[in-house]
Amino acid sequence: GAVVSQHPSRVICKSGTSVKIECRSLDFQATTMFWYRQFPKKSLMLMATSNEGSKATYEQGVEKDKFLINHASLTLSTLTVTSAHPEDSSFYICSARHRGTGELFFGEGSRLTVL
Amino acid sequence: AQTVTQSQPEMSVQEAETVTLSCTYDTSESNYYLFWYKQPPSRQMILVIRQEAYKQQNATENRFSVNFQKAAKSFSLKISDSQLGDTAMYFCAVNNNDMRFGAGTRLTVKP
Repeated sequence: GAVVSQHPSRVICKSGTSVKIECRSLDFQATTMFWYRQFPKKSLMLMATSNEGSKATYEQGVEKDKFLINHASLTLSTLTVTSAHPEDSSFYICSARHRGTGELFFGEGSRLTVL
Repeated sequence: AQTVTQSQPEMSVQEAETVTLSCTYDTSESNYYLFWYKQPPSRQMILVIRQEAYKQQNATENRFSVNFQKAAKSFSLKISDSQLGDTAMYFCAVNNNDMRFGAGTRLTVKP
């Protein structure tokens, strides 16, 4: 089946630094990728929708200057958490929509810990 | 906007028994898809079953089946012959242009 790879799977950083998380569709092209945030024992909250070659659409309450999303190609989207603070610590998951079938595939997730 | 409601935060079932997880949703779209995902402790989202809203026939995947009631906007998941490996968080989701998830149900299968 189709594979979506997220990297890094775990990252620890100091407060004030920026962290980039990559989401790659390994064997298919993805016209749309979605970024979610998941708190412990909670559901996935949609942060933003990114379409290849255009600006991401952010959900209400999500700071676009805080969470920079770039979708430069049909196989790669990146989420950059800028000037990270401890409250940004969370589990971030991406999903990619298959260009042909429209099916969604999920990455393995990235656990961010901000000290 | 789409909303998804899972009213059962936690459920448990004995191994080999049957359990039903409930889900209701709200959407203004006429064409959409419904999903159940499983999230084990590894946190990887695993697709359990999907249903196209335009299909009246309930989807079935081995031990997993759904009861899709479009008029009532209800989409429950039935797990038959529960296995220990079914223990996980289960999320109901509605997809049109984006994917929205319910709050989840933590299912524990007891030996």
